[in-house]
Amino acid sequence: GEDVEQSLFLSVREGDSSVINCTYTDSSSTYLYWYKQEPGAGLQLLTYIFSNMDMKQDQRLTVLLNKKDKHLSLRIADTQTGDSAIYFCALGGSSASKIIFGSGTRLSIRP
Amino acid sequence: DTGVSQDPRHKITKRGQNVTFRCDPISEHNRLYWYRQTLGQGPEFLTYFQNEAQLEKSRLLSDRFSAERPKGSFSTLEIQRTEQGDSAMYLCASSFKGQGDYEQYFGPGTRLTVT
Repeated sequence: GEDVEQSLFLSVREGDSSVINCTYTDSSSTYLYWYKQEPGAGLQLLTYIFSNMDMKQDQRLTVLLNKKDKHLSLRIADTQTGDSAIYFCALGGSSASKIIFGSGTRLSIRP
Repeated sequence: DTGVSQDPRHKITKRGQNVTFRCDPISEHNRLYWYRQTLGQGPEFLTYFQNEAQLEKSRLLSDRFSAERPKGSFSTLEIQRTEQGDSAMYLCASSFKGQGDYEQYFGPGTRLTVT
C-alpha cells in the first residue's frame, strides 16, 4: 500500500524559513496535501497541489513537488510562534475518496 | 460556525461497553469520512459515504465497528464491545463531490478512552 514518510521533528528560529519534507511511494496520487494540527484541535487544510504541478505558492506557504523523486515539501516563510504545530503530508487519489496521511512533523519555534 | 461538528468531544468507557459517536458535516457536503488517529500517528482512513451510501470500508473497520448515514446528512459511528486498543481520536471529515471534492474538512474529533 501507500507509504508516506516524514521526519518527526523540526526546530527553527522565529523569523527563519521552515522546510518540511515528505516522501511517498505511490506515484498515482492525484492530490497532495498539507494539513496542520494544533494541540487539542482538528486538522486544518493548509494547502494542496495537483500532481501535474511542480509548485504552488500561497502567501507564506510554498509547496514543491518533485514527481521523479516522489518528494513533496512545504516551505513556511518568516516562521512565527503561531506556526508551532504538527504538519501532515497526505495523498489522495483521483476518486477523491480516502486520504493517506504521513505520521506528521512537529514544528517548534525557537525565540 | 458552519464547520464539521462532532459529539461528544470526549468519551471514557469501560472495556466491553458500546459507544456511539455523531458527526454533522458541512451542510452542502455530500461526502462524509471517518478516520482514526492514535497518539503520534497520522489519521487512518476507516470509511466514507456519498450521500447515504457507504462506498468504501477499510480493513481496519472490524465487525465491531459500524457506521451509518441514514438520510445522507449526519453520520454515526458505533463501536461494540470496546477494547483498550480502540482508544484513539475519531475524526470526521466532509467534502462536496463536484467542484473541490478533493478538499476534505475535518471536525475537532471525539477522543475515546477505554479503561
